[in-house]
Amino acid sequence: RKEVEQDPGPFNVPEGATVAFNCTYSNSASQSFFWYRQDCRKEPKLLMSVYSSGNEDGRFTAQLNRASQYISLLIRDSKLSDSATYLCVVKRNTPLVFGKGTRLSVIA
Amino acid sequence: DTAVSQTPKYLVTQMGNDKSIKCEQNLGHDTMYWYKQDSKKFLKIMFSYNNKELIINETVPNRFSPKSPDKAHLNLHINSLELGDSAVYFCASKEGGYLDTQYFGPGTRLTVL
Repeated sequence: RKEVEQDPGPFNVPEGATVAFNCTYSNSASQSFFWYRQDCRKEPKLLMSVYSSGNEDGRFTAQLNRASQYISLLIRDSKLSDSATYLCVVKRNTPLVFGKGTRLSVIA
Repeated sequence: DTAVSQTPKYLVTQMGNDKSIKCEQNLGHDTMYWYKQDSKKFLKIMFSYNNKELIINETVPNRFSPKSPDKAHLNLHINSLELGDSAVYFCASKEGGYLDTQYFGPGTRLTVL
C-alpha cells in the first residue's frame, strides 16, 4: 500500500462548481500535512498547510481527520485558473512524502 | 529574483554518458533536496542536505552522487546514464527549524536516448 493515496482523477468540472479531493495516508506517525499545487510542466508550490481543526484560505478549505488518516481539500466557486494537479503531502520525520496527485480541469 | 534555480532546464543525452545538474537557492535556507518525478508523475525524494551535510539518502543507485559545495548549492551528478533515468529532477530548499514549506526549482527535464 502506498504511503499517501489519492484519486488521480481527472476531475472535469464547470466554472463555479465546488469540488472536493480526498487523500489517505498509511503512517499514523505522520506529523504534518499539506496540499501542494503543480501546474502542467511546472514545479510544485505550497497551496496550504492542513491543521487538525480545519483551515480555510479564501475559496480553499482543508480538513484533517487523524483517526481515519484522511485529508481533504474543498475548492468552492472553481475558476479556470484552478486547473492543475493537487498533491497531498505528508511529513513523517524529515522528508515530505507526496501523493501522485489529483488532476483538476475547470471548464468554461 | 529567482529563489531556487536549476540548470539546465532541459537535458537530452545518450545512454552511458555522465551528466550534472546544478541547483542554487538565494533564500538563505539550510536544507536542500533533490526529487525525481517520473513519467507517472510520482514525486519522490532522492537526497537531502542540511548545511552541506547529507542527511537523507533514499534508495537511489550509487550512480547518482549529490555534492554541496556550500549551503546555497546542491548539485547532482549522474554517471552511466540509463533509459530509466529519464524524468524531471526538482531541487528544493527549506528553512531550518519547524517550518516545513519547501520551495522548488523549475525542474530539469532529463531525457536519456
